[in-house]
Amino acid sequence: QVRLQESGPGLVKPSETLSLTCDVSGTYMNYYAWIWVRQPPGKGLEWIAYVPRGGGIIHNPSLKSRVTLSQDPSTNQFSLKMTSVTPADTAMYYCARLLPGTANLDYWGQGTLVTVSA
Amino acid sequence: QSVLTQPPSASGTPGQGVTISCSGNYSNIGRNYVYWYRQVPGTAPKLLIYTSNQRSSGVPDRISESKSGTSASLAISGLRSEDEADYFCAAWDDTLSGPVFGGGTKLTVL
Repeated sequence: QVRLQESGPGLVKPSETLSLTCDVSGTYMNYYAWIWVRQPPGKGLEWIAYVPRGGGIIHNPSLKSRVTLSQDPSTNQFSLKMTSVTPADTAMYYCARLLPGTANLDYWGQGTLVTVSA
Repeated sequence: QSVLTQPPSASGTPGQGVTISCSGNYSNIGRNYVYWYRQVPGTAPKLLIYTSNQRSSGVPDRISESKSGTSASLAISGLRSEDEADYFCAAWDDTLSGPVFGGGTKLTVL
């Protein structure tokens, strides 16, 4: 059974760096792409970045300058770092499995709420 | 501002049908499949419809999707109280090289 679980601080101060980790089980990471998606309170979904099946990182252009992803298949984890956060980055952050070249996110983590506040 | 455009709300009475629209452009809906997700408040989105009207496991056939040009629609017939949720459309965007989403439609069963 495929499972994803996000972890990380729930509160980050403005201008600091948001760091989240996604633990993946029940699937081979190398066969799929892995994506971070966020949802501000009461709003829609926005993709942040993903690791394609062959490696590398594809960013949402609107966030590219502030986002870094890393993936470690040996530990079944992939991570998100977002620098210089502001209150506008307050959102539920989800990790998900993405079928390459599609908008098919077939497995999601439960999400973790990150609040940016002093 | 979401890349795909959905109405913020829709409603119907039990037994009725309802349609939720989703509008995009050539680089997303115009060239690629549309996916639909269902989200109950406080939980993660779940894939509802994928790859040309394929339903995820457990989704009844009274739920279907269609696409024409750069727009798509999700149709739910025989509304039931358990259909109350937020519904999001999504499509791959060739220009952005990533998936784009609608802002979501809150479905209320009156």
